[in-house]
Amino acid sequence: DADVTQTPRNRITKTGKRIMLECSQTKGHDRMYWYRQDPGLGLRLIYYSFDVKDINKGEISDGYSVSRQAQAKFSLSLESAIPNQTALYFCATSRDRGYGYTFGSGTRLTVV
Amino acid sequence: AQSVSQHNHHVILSEAASLELGCNYSYGGTVNLFWYVQYPGQHLQLLLKYFSGDPLVKGIKGFEAEFIKSKFSFNLRKPSVQWSDTAEYFCAVNEGADGLTFGKGTHLIIQP
Repeated sequence: DADVTQTPRNRITKTGKRIMLECSQTKGHDRMYWYRQDPGLGLRLIYYSFDVKDINKGEISDGYSVSRQAQAKFSLSLESAIPNQTALYFCATSRDRGYGYTFGSGTRLTVV
Repeated sequence: AQSVSQHNHHVILSEAASLELGCNYSYGGTVNLFWYVQYPGQHLQLLLKYFSGDPLVKGIKGFEAEFIKSKFSFNLRKPSVQWSDTAEYFCAVNEGADGLTFGKGTHLIIQP
């Protein structure tokens, strides 16, 4: 099994729909992150969490919300999807600040 | 806020050529520096990182990077590239408690 699992892998949804992207990790790390990747823009941080009770907004949190259901689970929600939220979304986890991230395989989201 | 600049958005090289990808960051304090690689259709994988100590860091697959504090740079190098090095490369910086800040990426194409 992968260290970081994201579901679904691909999703097409309509404008205005609510959608949840799920992430679970088996690394036992406290830190989890959500990024979106757009061509030519690199990865941008949406939300991050350092433990179950600690949720922080990243660079581009507007239009998104998150839930940290357990140490291993960190979900990203789009309350009312819009087309410019079409992107590749990555979840990641890390042991601590000085360590690298382990990324999931990504969710390709298309909003039509 | 910190920023990360990758100067080359697209690089095309022939096999066996030497590679150097530039990365500069804006923060002047203590930083952790990373290079990630994303092969086509895959998630990001850690190539190497600098946390402290020897400024010349060796990573996987023959890559290395040199941290030059006075130049705020962390350039990635490889003496002889292979076709399998075709991928997107991201420089990233972590200077505080927040998540990593990524550059916009360099798309590297190796021609046989």
